[in-house]
Amino acid sequence: ETGVTQTPRHLVMGMTNKKSLKCEQHLGHNAMYWYKQSAKKPLELMFVYNFKEQTENNSVPSRFSPECPNSSHLFLHLHTLQPEDSALYLCASSPGGVGNTIYFGEGSWLTVV
Amino acid sequence: GIQVEQSPPDLILQEGANSTLRCNFSDSVNNLQWFHQNPWGQLINLFYIPSGTKQNGRLSATTVATERYSLLYISSSQTTVSGVYFCAVLSLGSQGNLIFGKGTKLSVKP
Repeated sequence: ETGVTQTPRHLVMGMTNKKSLKCEQHLGHNAMYWYKQSAKKPLELMFVYNFKEQTENNSVPSRFSPECPNSSHLFLHLHTLQPEDSALYLCASSPGGVGNTIYFGEGSWLTVV
Repeated sequence: GIQVEQSPPDLILQEGANSTLRCNFSDSVNNLQWFHQNPWGQLINLFYIPSGTKQNGRLSATTVATERYSLLYISSSQTTVSGVYFCAVLSLGSQGNLIFGKGTKLSVKP
């Protein structure tokens, strides 16, 4: 238990569906992240939020839409995805600042059919 | 940007064996972390170690910042330590985010 909870753990969706991934952290951290992990690729940073403000969007397609209503919650809204978007999506949080440890959730396995 | 290379990419061990995983990076860093990813996808922090040596049970890590590498030692491996080990770094002076290596996949056989 790392203090970062992701739901759902597994999701299968069609290319025309709209779904959302949810992340909640109970650590009092100020920064939250979405990472994508595809087979045989390094972890790819998608989005970063600091104090609810988006500070990084790593050229992510608009079919992925993040939302951070407060410092404890982070969503990733999914719309008209492609099969190549199938991957493990990892949420993480950190206290903020360059010298801090980052803590990951258990991940959401997404399959787009 | 900073480059992170991990070796070996794959490692198969018998239970009880020792192993050393390596992480090389191309620039000075002020943050280096080792993670273990279990077969279910969970990434667990092992060490925050931008320099020096730390130990935690059968795991220890050493970072030689001046020579731009870090080593993760696993002694008397158990099957439970199987998974992928990632090194992640942040360049000195960067306000950006951690850059991950491609990982070392460790399989410990009974």
